[in-house]
Amino acid sequence: DAKTTQPPSMDCAEGRAANLPCNHSTISGNEYVYWYRQIHSQGPQYIIHGLKNNETNEMASLIITEDRKSSTLILPHATLRDTAVYYCIVRVRGNQGGKLIFGQGTELSVKP
Amino acid sequence: DGGITQSPKYLFRKEGQNVTLSCEQNLNHDAMYWYRQDPGQGLRLIYYSQIVNDFQKGDIAEGYSVSREKKESFPLTVTSAQKNPTAFYLCASSQTGTGAYNEQFFGPGTRLTVL
Repeated sequence: DAKTTQPPSMDCAEGRAANLPCNHSTISGNEYVYWYRQIHSQGPQYIIHGLKNNETNEMASLIITEDRKSSTLILPHATLRDTAVYYCIVRVRGNQGGKLIFGQGTELSVKP
Repeated sequence: DGGITQSPKYLFRKEGQNVTLSCEQNLNHDAMYWYRQDPGQGLRLIYYSQIVNDFQKGDIAEGYSVSREKKESFPLTVTSAQKNPTAFYLCASSQTGTGAYNEQFFGPGTRLTVL
């Protein structure tokens, strides 16, 4: 079973920030938070990951609460091409199994 | 360009036939994975391989088989024993090791329909 909980769907206006929440209340100390997204009928795409500090890259920002029980993925200026299913995943970095446990994710719809 | 290729994109087979899905990567990754996705659901792990000539079952391996004879190739065979094979199949690869930045890179997927 997935160790994360996400809302099933969200809407966002084009050009606005999209804030996607994720609850991971049972996260362990050595588990990272990873975000992937999947555009319809394509393979998932890695976005960002973090342990306890906030992270930013060219795609998004990741805000992790101090107790690490939840996080928020921020797309600062959403475009129509950001419409996708966003998956929040917790995993041990470098674990030899390499398994990603996908939940059902959040379906983000960016509207003009 | 470096990446993962899966072929074909769409595949139709008759019930009772075995079918093999191709996955090739030129990223020099040691680890490769096969996932299955059903409509409206997340991905589920079928098999994974961390090194050539070695592989392990994932969560839903029954009715599937794999081989890893070459580092760049990890074909998946859907056998007639798989009760509900119609699905979207995704292949992925990653580096390995605790020091590696080992996010998984996914291929475009193969949509298998069994008639």
